[in-house]
Amino acid sequence: AQSVTQLGSHVSVSEGALVLLRCNYSSSVPPYLFWYVQYPNQGLQLLLKYTSAATLVKGINGFEAEFKKSETSFHLTKPSAHMSDAAEYFCAVSARRGGGADGLTFGKGTHLIIQP
Amino acid sequence: DAGVIQSPRHEVTEMGQEVTLRCKPISGHNSLFWYRQTMMRGLELLIYFNNNVPIDDSGMPEDRFSAKMPNASFSTLKIQPSEPRDSAVYFCASRHGQVDDYTFGSGTRLTVV
Repeated sequence: AQSVTQLGSHVSVSEGALVLLRCNYSSSVPPYLFWYVQYPNQGLQLLLKYTSAATLVKGINGFEAEFKKSETSFHLTKPSAHMSDAAEYFCAVSARRGGGADGLTFGKGTHLIIQP
Repeated sequence: DAGVIQSPRHEVTEMGQEVTLRCKPISGHNSLFWYRQTMMRGLELLIYFNNNVPIDDSGMPEDRFSAKMPNASFSTLKIQPSEPRDSAVYFCASRHGQVDDYTFGSGTRLTVV
């Protein structure tokens, strides 16, 4: 079984400041990890994913995340926040390996607020 | 590529009525997933299909919910009878079997009054 914990339901940063959204996971098998962004009244858009290649993953819009097995973490960062980054962010885990399908298990989400 | 297409975008119905949500996955994707999003429970996986076959429906809340995938290009999620607590945004997602890119539709916002 897999689970995801996102620390902080709301995170507020100033425009231009570092963005750090925290995600810890639990998985009985080596995980695949994902970050999705959801803008108001829209679907989920993939930001980046970790699938056992490089532990530092770069995504769209300047975001990146680092897989740390020892800490069971996959925190999302961006060096400089932009007003357009304001949205809901979801961390998700999948245990799928080599075919078949088991879906994504999502965290509760973190609402990112950007202060001007 | 038009992405995953869901219809309707919004649905308002009265308690007790039947509701049918529709999803067209991306062509070539052989896995399809139905999720429900609420403020209280977040995103929950309801059911998923692999090659049109339901694999795991343990997330379906109760017998009032049913899902079908009659062919590779169409799936439905039906609620009969609907209740106010079913009000949520329902997302459909599809995935190619060998690639871990889940593509989500824009969702159907269901309101049961």
